[in-house]
Amino acid sequence: GIQVEQSPPDLILQEGANSTLRCNFSDSVNNLQWFHQNPWGQLINLFYIPSGTKQNGRLSATTVATERYSLLYISSSQTTDSGVYFCAVFGSGNTGKLIFGQGTTLQVKP
Amino acid sequence: EPEVTQTPSHQVTQMGQEVILRCVPISNHLYFYWYRQILGQKVEFLVSFYNNEISEKSEIFDDQFSVERPDGSNFTLKIRSTKLEDSAMYFCASSRTSGIFTGELFFGEGSRLTVL
Repeated sequence: GIQVEQSPPDLILQEGANSTLRCNFSDSVNNLQWFHQNPWGQLINLFYIPSGTKQNGRLSATTVATERYSLLYISSSQTTDSGVYFCAVFGSGNTGKLIFGQGTTLQVKP
Repeated sequence: EPEVTQTPSHQVTQMGQEVILRCVPISNHLYFYWYRQILGQKVEFLVSFYNNEISEKSEIFDDQFSVERPDGSNFTLKIRSTKLEDSAMYFCASSRTSGIFTGELFFGEGSRLTVL
């Protein structure tokens, strides 16, 4: 099956810093989503981004499907950005089974 | 903004007891899913459901698990005889489309199950 690898596994930032999180996947995919899991365990949809670039406030994401990776950019980080960021992909032809990466744990210090 | 809602948010149960986790998907969505996350691990697919039947299930989804859409709004996950290793956060999700046109999945806030 498809393998999803995220890097780095852990990241500590000072408030105001920028960061880039990476998601590599081992096979062609139909779609890709980025999530933020907050300290209460809730999964928050960030981006639905099978290809191209999207921006939402301080966050943006780019997926290059032909090269099998996606990047999540966080600019001017805030303490509320802390949590785990998951990338998840759908394999080609499957019925909606999202394969999640192991996540990047981000801690933003004041 | 429409959202997926789950109840209960936290349930504590004794090993061997039956548990039912409930979900109300987004109203115009047709595809429904359950995922689970053991503490500190990644989120894992359990089952997908469409047109009142299971579309796909993982190897985790064995005979002790079942899903049902008892009415037009609720989607439930039943664990027949809970084990310690069933302790996890269970997420319900829904989407408008699936298959090769798989659309965005929207997740509920999760139901944390603790089996003692």
